[in-house]
Amino acid sequence: EAAVTQSPRNKVTVTGGNVTLSCRQTNSHNYMYWYRQDTGHGLRLIHYSYGAGNLQIGDVPDGYKATRTTQEDFFLLLELASPSQTSLYFCASSDAISAETLYFGSGTRLTVL
Amino acid sequence: GEKVEQHESTLSVREGDSAVINCTYTDTASSYFPWYKQEAGKSLHFVIDIRSNVDRKQSQRLIVLLDKKAKRFSLHITATQPEDSAIYFCAAKHYGNEKITFGAGTKLTIKP
Repeated sequence: EAAVTQSPRNKVTVTGGNVTLSCRQTNSHNYMYWYRQDTGHGLRLIHYSYGAGNLQIGDVPDGYKATRTTQEDFFLLLELASPSQTSLYFCASSDAISAETLYFGSGTRLTVL
Repeated sequence: GEKVEQHESTLSVREGDSAVINCTYTDTASSYFPWYKQEAGKSLHFVIDIRSNVDRKQSQRLIVLLDKKAKRFSLHITATQPEDSAIYFCAAKHYGNEKITFGAGTKLTIKP
């Protein structure tokens, strides 16, 4: 089974703070995704990537940057965090469009005070 | 873009009974419909999917039905057990599109 590891598990920051969420997958998957989970909204796609150096915009990208440094590593950056970004963030990976099954990390709970 | 609506936000059934979760989608080009399960305090994992070339798929106690005309699909869990208690997410995408759109989730509780 694909292994997707997120860090940190929990993060608290203040409004205007700078936050980086990390994700690493060890199964050579091409696609990696960042989602946020909020009650009543389900999972919403922030950014995704199909390989090192590639970045695609998701459905709720405002206030977020992302960078895929290697095939394994995908980072989500909040440069001026706001309370509206308090959420549970999931990283996921998938080996190809046709395979489609997403493998999720364990999540990062971010609180912006 | 695609929108997926999950009709039941909560559902409670007695152990041994069947549970049904319904979803609708808007994009007629959607062709792939997976379901994910999230147990309390844990991450999501894939449970079953269906593609648009069939209208029914079964995996043990899980059955997925797809009605393309109505743009509706549903997850049926038969002979429910306590370990079926979780949040279930439906999703949709069309072939060649890298984005999967999720519903808001249904919290299923199995009562003893």
